[in-house]
Amino acid sequence: QVQLVQSGAEVKKPGASVRVSCKTSGYIFTSYAINWVRQAPGQGLEWMGWISAFNGNTNYAQKVQGRVTMTTDTSTNTAYLDLRGLRSDDTAVYFCARDPIRYSNNVDYFDHWGQGTLVTVSS
Amino acid sequence: DIQMTQSPSTLSASVGDSVTITCRASQSISNWLAWYQQKPGKAPKLLIYEASSLESGVPSRFSGRGSGTEFTLTISRLQPDDFATYYCQQYNSDSPTFGQGTKVEIK
Repeated sequence: QVQLVQSGAEVKKPGASVRVSCKTSGYIFTSYAINWVRQAPGQGLEWMGWISAFNGNTNYAQKVQGRVTMTTDTSTNTAYLDLRGLRSDDTAVYFCARDPIRYSNNVDYFDHWGQGTLVTVSS
Repeated sequence: DIQMTQSPSTLSASVGDSVTITCRASQSISNWLAWYQQKPGKAPKLLIYEASSLESGVPSRFSGRGSGTEFTLTISRLQPDDFATYYCQQYNSDSPTFGQGTKVEIK
């Protein structure tokens, strides 16, 4: 079965960087894209960006453009989110989520999600 | 970005009721709309895609309708497991956006 398992919670100081991983299994990793979505405490869902696992193309939300990098490691079927210059309003649960359309060049909907990783930014 | 507005923000209902949640887009998104269910501390779960297609394994009491700018999610015969927050998401543009959520709570 399709599974996305994320790395554990992180506590960071303002200005620091964080890396969240998303290890996948149960499907052909390089056939699908991975999205990152975050949710601030008590708030709604915010899409951060998309990376194609078959060609490495990325598409980032304007709000985080310049501070975010999404990558994949096809040898371990893992996707990574790097966020730099952390601010208090980056405190959120970060989810990875699979795009269900094979070889899609567009952002679609999300059929399988990781369990979430809480990133807390505090001095 | 395309703005998605859900109504109501909160909905109180009883087991066995039928409820409808509305999602409006700030511009036409054709049928590129998905619905998710989220429970506290959990990841969202896909219910509906392409406005009306039921995701595999989702009970048939969930149904979606609409196109253009107005969409609905109907839950027929509410079950105890259905009390949760529901989000719509548009994927017509290359910058997908979510509605603010509708919490379905027990009356």
